[in-house]
Parts: sequence; structure tokens; C-alpha cells
Amino acid sequence: KQEVTQIPAALSVPEGENLVLNCSFTDSAIYNLQWFRQDPGKGLTSLLLIQSSQREQTSGRLNASLDKSSGRSTLYIAASQPGDSATYLCAVLDTGTASKLTFGTGTRLQVTL
Amino acid sequence: NAGVTQTPKFRVLKTGQSMTLLCAQDMNHEYMYWYRQDPGMGLRLIHYSVGEGTTAKGEVPDGYNVSRLKKQNFLLGLESAAPSQTSVYFCASSYHGEQFFGPGTRLTVL
Repeated sequence: KQEVTQIPAALSVPEGENLVLNCSFTDSAIYNLQWFRQDPGKGLTSLLLIQSSQREQTSGRLNASLDKSSGRSTLYIAASQPGDSATYLCAVLDTGTASKLTFGTGTRLQVTL
Repeated sequence: NAGVTQTPKFRVLKTGQSMTLLCAQDMNHEYMYWYRQDPGMGLRLIHYSVGEGTTAKGEVPDGYNVSRLKKQNFLLGLESAAPSQTSVYFCASSYHGEQFFGPGTRLTVL
């Protein structure tokens, strides 16, 4: 059974700092990996999707990498801003599972002024 | 495009009452999902559907039923609500493996 772990559970950084969020998964037979952002009391917003054949994806200040063989993904946020404060979730889509995602429990990020 | 919408946004039930949560998507996606999110436990899949007229059980299906009579709608039913079903419920649809989520329904069972 796939298990997804995110470390740290919470992180506080000053504005302007670059930061890395970590995601690890136990079964490397994945179809893709998706990073989401969730604001308090809101739904999930898709940030980046990395296919299993890709090594990284970039969107603006965000860069996600994938190392399938080691079961790891990182989300890099450059020049953090207070508006980046949210919970970040990673989720993996296993092959042959009818598109069912397995989620990590998230990293709660706070960017302070 | 409204994307994925959910109704209602909030609901309070008494133990034993029934209700239906509605999810609608206007993106013509085949796959749809119902999740629940609880503190410290992350998102867990309740039921899912791979197309109109099909449904399947996820990780935590007990106490819930679903129907997918139309491609754009996925209904989640609670026949006899229990306090353990107090949670935030999210619906999602997917295309080529990428999932898109609705805003959620916050359900409290007293």
C-alpha cells in the first residue's frame, strides 16, 4: 500500500527566503505526482503536476522535482512572500489504480514579514 | 467554466438523519471522486467513479453511498449520519491524471 510522508509538518520562514518542502513515497510505481496548495477553510488548488517520466516542472516561483527511484519529490519556493502562507500537499497517482490519489498530510507554511 | 462545484457549503445534521451532497463539474471529465479530510489524517478517498453509471469503493466507504447518473454530477449520500462522519468533504474530477477539487462541504453531525 502506497504511503506518502511530508516533512516538516510545519515551517515558518521570513519573507524573501527560499525554501524546500519534502515529499516521500514508498512505492515507486507511480503515474504522476501532484502538488497542491490549501488555504484555511478552502479547497485544494493544483500547483504542479509531474509525470513519472519527468524530472521537474516549473511555474513562476515554484519548482517541483521528482526522483522516482528514491521515492522523493521536492517543492522549491523562491523568494517567499506572506501570500505563500498555506498548507502544501503532495499526492501520488499509482499506476493501475483508476486515478486514485494517495495524499500526504501536508506541510503548513507560514511566511512572516 | 465554473470548474468543480459543491452544494451545500455547510450543513449540520442530527445523528440518524440522512442527506445528499451534490458535486457538479463542467469540464466533461470522466473520473470523479469523493474525499473526506480530517485533522491529522489527510484526505481519504470515500468512493469514486470512472464514468457515467459506474461507482467504486475507495479507502473509507462504510456509511456512504454514491450515484453517477449523469456524467457531470456525482452524488454522495449519508443514509444515517453518525458523529464520526463529521468532516470536510471534497469532490474532485480528473483529466489525464490531474485532479481538480471543489471548495468543500463542512458537515457536522451532532
